[in-house]
Amino acid sequence: SQTIHQWPATLVQPVGSPLSLECTVEGTSNPNLYWYRQAAGRGLQLLFYSVGIGQISSEVPQNLSASRPQDRQFILSSKKLLLSDSGFYLCAWSLGLAAEQYFGPGTRLTVT
Amino acid sequence: QQPVQSPQAVILREGEDAVINCSSSKALYSVHWYRQKHGEAPVFLMILLKGGEQMRHEKISASFNEKKQQSSLYLTASQLSYSGTYFCGTPARGSGNTGKLIFGQGTTLQVKP
Repeated sequence: SQTIHQWPATLVQPVGSPLSLECTVEGTSNPNLYWYRQAAGRGLQLLFYSVGIGQISSEVPQNLSASRPQDRQFILSSKKLLLSDSGFYLCAWSLGLAAEQYFGPGTRLTVT
Repeated sequence: QQPVQSPQAVILREGEDAVINCSSSKALYSVHWYRQKHGEAPVFLMILLKGGEQMRHEKISASFNEKKQQSSLYLTASQLSYSGTYFCGTPARGSGNTGKLIFGQGTTLQVKP
């Protein structure tokens, strides 16, 4: 069966510090991968998605970037965090057209 | 392009029924439903496909009206475990095989004993 991992679960970082969040999927090959951010009490904002290794599409211009160095690994990064980067970061995967998405447990980021 | 959900929030007693609607201004060929419990990640409930049958997940069912460009989620005889925020998601325009979804703003459901 497929599983998706994210770490860390929680993170407190000062403004201006770098960020690296990792997501890995097990039990499937060539998944579509997604990074979402959810502000407190709000909806799901798609940040990046990837259909294959090295293929990244950005949805929202910001100081975040994403990379997919391996088929089942998706990384979200920032060189300098802003207060507005605080939120619940979710990684998800799916297979193909109109397929359901499965979410990882998420990383709760607080920028102070 | 974001689907619109209604109502924004619902408070129920155990055993009562509720309906959550998801409407789009563009033609739909599929609608996804997810539930997110407080502090947790969203969990997939079901997908409705154009021309498909009404789907069920436990005592939760959903319908898809292609003409009205709308899907409805029916929660029957609600249980405490149904509490959470429900999101509908629709494929983004031009998403091709990316599986990219646009989610509604969410409907918060609270079931009280």
